[in-house]
Amino acid sequence: AQKVTQAQTEISVVEKEDVTLDCVYETRDTTYYLFWYKQPPSGELVFLIRRNSFDEQNEISGRYSWNFQKSTSSFNFTITASQVVDSAVYFCARKGLDSNYQLIWGAGTKLIIKP
Amino acid sequence: DAGVIQSPRHEVTEMGQEVTLRCKPISGHDYLFWYRQTMMRGLELLIYFNNNVPIDDSGMPEDRFSAKMPNASFSTLKIQPSEPRDSAVYFCASSLEATYEQYFGPGTRLTVT
Repeated sequence: AQKVTQAQTEISVVEKEDVTLDCVYETRDTTYYLFWYKQPPSGELVFLIRRNSFDEQNEISGRYSWNFQKSTSSFNFTITASQVVDSAVYFCARKGLDSNYQLIWGAGTKLIIKP
Repeated sequence: DAGVIQSPRHEVTEMGQEVTLRCKPISGHDYLFWYRQTMMRGLELLIYFNNNVPIDDSGMPEDRFSAKMPNASFSTLKIQPSEPRDSAVYFCASSLEATYEQYFGPGTRLTVT
């Protein structure tokens, strides 16, 4: 199976620090889609971003930015000037090869922001 | 706009009882997904529908689980009979084919005692 790997199980930083969450994916597709989701302690899963494989421009949304590197099959997520409200589990996912609309999920990275 | 709606938010039941979880997708979305999340197994896709038709149910753990989508605005996931190992958070998500972005409901936390 073509996996999505989030090697960092848990990261803990102090508020206002920058933090980067890593995501490495496997794929044989030439066209694919990558996603990040946030799951705060309240439990809901919140869609953050979708990136198409043919668009390698990095994306910035406020304090959030995403770095897509096809050469290393990585789609990393950086939070600048972290805040306590950023504490959550973050999941990376990709659109699967065999099942058109199934997402292949990483195991998630638990981010703890200490005040 | 209303997001994905799930009910109930919490369900506590005894082993052997029937459990029905409900989902209302975002209006206009043509895909609906049922997931289960546990600490041990993470997020698992159980089944998904396209235009109310089940497309892939290979994630359904066993015959005790069944899902239906009688119309575009309603789906159910039923467990009969329930077992303690079914305890988990069950999420429903919907998406629009053109975007592939799945939007999740708040989840139903199921506890089977």
